[in-house]
Amino acid sequence: EPEVTQTPSHQVTQMGQEVILRCVPISNHLYFYWYRQILGQKVEFLVSFYNNEISEKSEIFDDQFSVERPDGSNFTLKIRSTKLEDSAMYFCATPRGSRGTEAFFGQGTRLTVV
Amino acid sequence: AQKITQTQPGMFVQEKEAVTLDCTYDTSDPSYGLFWYKQPSSGEMIFLIYQGSYDQQNATEGRYSLNFQKARKSANLVISASQLGDSAMYFCAMREGLGGNKLVFGAGTILRVKS
Repeated sequence: EPEVTQTPSHQVTQMGQEVILRCVPISNHLYFYWYRQILGQKVEFLVSFYNNEISEKSEIFDDQFSVERPDGSNFTLKIRSTKLEDSAMYFCATPRGSRGTEAFFGQGTRLTVV
Repeated sequence: AQKITQTQPGMFVQEKEAVTLDCTYDTSDPSYGLFWYKQPSSGEMIFLIYQGSYDQQNATEGRYSLNFQKARKSANLVISASQLGDSAMYFCAMREGLGGNKLVFGAGTILRVKS
């Protein structure tokens, strides 16, 4: 069973629309991360979330993006007004392992902006 | 400067043979962790193996082993007895410091296993 489950697996949206990507961890993790991978490119860090607050964010994570933990378990990544260049695979991730060192990724949400 | 460098855009290996995927890293932090992930065509990121900077021994997980050479700042992934299902993109990544810092990824290496 995966450590985290992401929904939807694939979303197509019109440019300018808002999208919400969801992530549900199996265990109660304190740390949570969102990453992005544009097709054919490397995986890029977006934001980390620790104890219900943003602990670090990248230059990519501008005002169009926001993260929340709306109900104490799910994590969401919201893109307020999507652009064509937001088309990518979005991953959430959480640490695990006896030392909390391994980082496990969800299966990803493929976002296509048209 | 690149934090993680994977110099092999693509690699071929014959089924049942071993293959080494290269990864070098750059950090001044004495505490760091090194990760390898497999990304098949389905797109998911599958954790393979982890090596901590203070670990005395090279990490091993089944057919995967990490050749950790600290002085050379390299963390090569060795896959033994390659299988057709090993064909995928492989990413090396690093976390600087302890705890929950972000991962920085390399550009990846596409591995193709030939029958």
